[in-house]
Amino acid sequence: QVQLMQSGAEVVKPGASVKVSCKASGYTFSDYFLQWVRQAPGQGLEWMGWINSKSGGTNYAQKFQGRVTMTRDTSISTAYMELSRLRSDDTAIYYCARVPSYDFLSPPRSWGQGTLVTVSS
Amino acid sequence: DIQMTQSPSTLSASVGDRVTITCRASQSITRWLAWYQQKPGKAPNLLIYKASILQSGVPSRFSGSGSGTEFTLTISNLQPDDFGTYYCQQYENNWTFGPGTNVEIK
Repeated sequence: QVQLMQSGAEVVKPGASVKVSCKASGYTFSDYFLQWVRQAPGQGLEWMGWINSKSGGTNYAQKFQGRVTMTRDTSISTAYMELSRLRSDDTAIYYCARVPSYDFLSPPRSWGQGTLVTVSS
Repeated sequence: DIQMTQSPSTLSASVGDRVTITCRASQSITRWLAWYQQKPGKAPNLLIYKASILQSGVPSRFSGSGSGTEFTLTISNLQPDDFGTYYCQQYENNWTFGPGTNVEIK
């Protein structure tokens, strides 16, 4: 069955970077894009961007441009989201979600379990 | 960027009630609108896409309607398991989520 397994919780200092991984299984990795969405504590969902798992092409939300980098390693079916220059308001659960390449904006049926990133000194 | 609003922000209803949540987009998104339910500590769960198409496995008491800029999610015959936060999402131009509606069971 389709699984997206994300890396564990992180506590990072302000100004530092964090890299969250999303390991895919149960499907052909290159046939799908991965979208990234975050959710601050008690808040709503915020779209961050996507990565084309086949080509590595990316599209980032304007808010995160210059601070976010999405990459993938096709040899291990894993995508990564790195966020730099972290601030306290980046404290959130970060989710990856799978969408088909032929309809990459479509709403996802499969999500990772989420990774809590806490920014604190 | 397309902005999304939802109303109400919170609603409390009894088992068996019919409830309606409204979602508005800042510009036309034709029918590129999805609805999710999210429970505490869990990822969102897709309920409806393309404004009115029920995702496989979702109970038929959930329904969606609308087009352009105004959309509704209706839950008929509310069940205890329907508590949670409901989000709309546009996917006409990238993604934007509404702020959410918290549904409480009386």
